[in-house]
Amino acid sequence: QVQLVQSGAEVKKPGSSVKVSCKASGGTFSNYAITWVRQAPGQGLEWMGGIIPIIGTADYAQKFQGRVTITADESTNTAYMELSSLRSEDTALYFCARGGYYDISGPLDYWGQGTLVTVSS
Amino acid sequence: QSALTQPRSVSGSPGQSVTISCTGTSSDIGAYNFVSWYQEHPGKAPKLMIYDVSRRPSGVPDRFSGSKSGNTASLTISGLQAEDEADYYCCSFAGIYPKVFGTGTKVTV
Repeated sequence: QVQLVQSGAEVKKPGSSVKVSCKASGGTFSNYAITWVRQAPGQGLEWMGGIIPIIGTADYAQKFQGRVTITADESTNTAYMELSSLRSEDTALYFCARGGYYDISGPLDYWGQGTLVTVSS
Repeated sequence: QSALTQPRSVSGSPGQSVTISCTGTSSDIGAYNFVSWYQEHPGKAPKLMIYDVSRRPSGVPDRFSGSKSGNTASLTISGLQAEDEADYYCCSFAGIYPKVFGTGTKVTV
């Protein structure tokens, strides 16, 4: 059974950066996309971007281009999402989820537990 | 890329059927058969219920079904049960963007 375990909650100041990790176990890591989705308080889901670890290049939603960096470490089966120039609107629950086989846009069948990022001065 | 449009809420009695619509454009739903649906209970991670418009992952009850016509996709829940009360989100491949979620629908049983 695939499991995705994310790092713990973060509190950050406006203008700083945050890096959230997502460690996979129980399945093949390298060939499946890992994507990142966020949910602001009381709001809907928002797709941020994704990566296929064995390929290594990430794809990002236009809204986050230049501000988000998604990476993956095959040696530890861990994916990372770093968001920079944080502002209060980035306060949200950030999820990682497994996408398709060699397909960043594939359906998201396994999800992490979510990481709350709070941006506050 | 704008979010797909869903009704804010739908409701039904136990045993009834409800249908949630998800309206996009000719650049997303209308262009690809890659629509998925997610169920989200409060405080839990979303769960995949439907993918590729109408396919059900293993373990999802056949009470859940999906369809598409033109730029609009739909999720139907037949034989509504109390545990179906949750938020539901559609999602579509959108070409270069490449994924967009719907605005979300609260289902009340």
